[in-house]
Amino acid sequence: QVQLVESGGGSVKPGGSLRLSCAASGFTFTDYYMSWIRQAPGKGLEWVSYISYTGDIIHYADSVKGRFTISRDNTKNAVYLQMNSLTAEDTAVYYCAIPRRQWGQGTLVTVSA
Amino acid sequence: QSALTQPASVSGSPGQSITIPCTGTSSDVGGYNYVSWYQQHPGKAPKLLIYAVSARPAGVSNRFSGFKSGNTASLTISGLQAEDEADYFCDSYTSSNTLDVFGTGTKVTVL
Repeated sequence: QVQLVESGGGSVKPGGSLRLSCAASGFTFTDYYMSWIRQAPGKGLEWVSYISYTGDIIHYADSVKGRFTISRDNTKNAVYLQMNSLTAEDTAVYYCAIPRRQWGQGTLVTVSA
Repeated sequence: QSALTQPASVSGSPGQSITIPCTGTSSDVGGYNYVSWYQQHPGKAPKLLIYAVSARPAGVSNRFSGFKSGNTASLTISGLQAEDEADYFCDSYTSSNTLDVFGTGTKVTVL
């Protein structure tokens, strides 16, 4: 069945970096755009970024533009989110998702001094 | 891109039916048949209940159904059960650069 497994979350100081990974299986990876979505503690959902089938179309939320980079490796069925210059406002559970379909279990990113 | 509008809370007694509306615009809900619904229990990942307005993934109970009229999509839960107590949110394709817009979320309470 469809599985999305995120990894790479953790605690980091403000200004630090993290790289999230999402391993996909159970479907034809290259048939789908992929997204990253986050949910801050006690808050609603915020779309972060998406990437097209081959990676030629990418968009970011204004809140992360210039700091986050999404990428995918279709040979490994994986999507990544490189997060730089992290602030406390980036603290959230980050989900990898097939837009409007399956989501992963999420990985927690905590930015704190 | 503004969030889709959902009521903050909806409640019902066991066995009853409840409906959760999700209101957007012609640029999202009203313009495309790409609305999904998710259930999220505390501390858990969202679970897909409905996609493409009314389609149910394999394994999802037929007590959950989706519908759309104009700029409003709706999720109906029939035969409400204690395990249905959770947060529910909608998710629509949008013509804006964000690709997706989410609902504000609805907490369902089973009385």
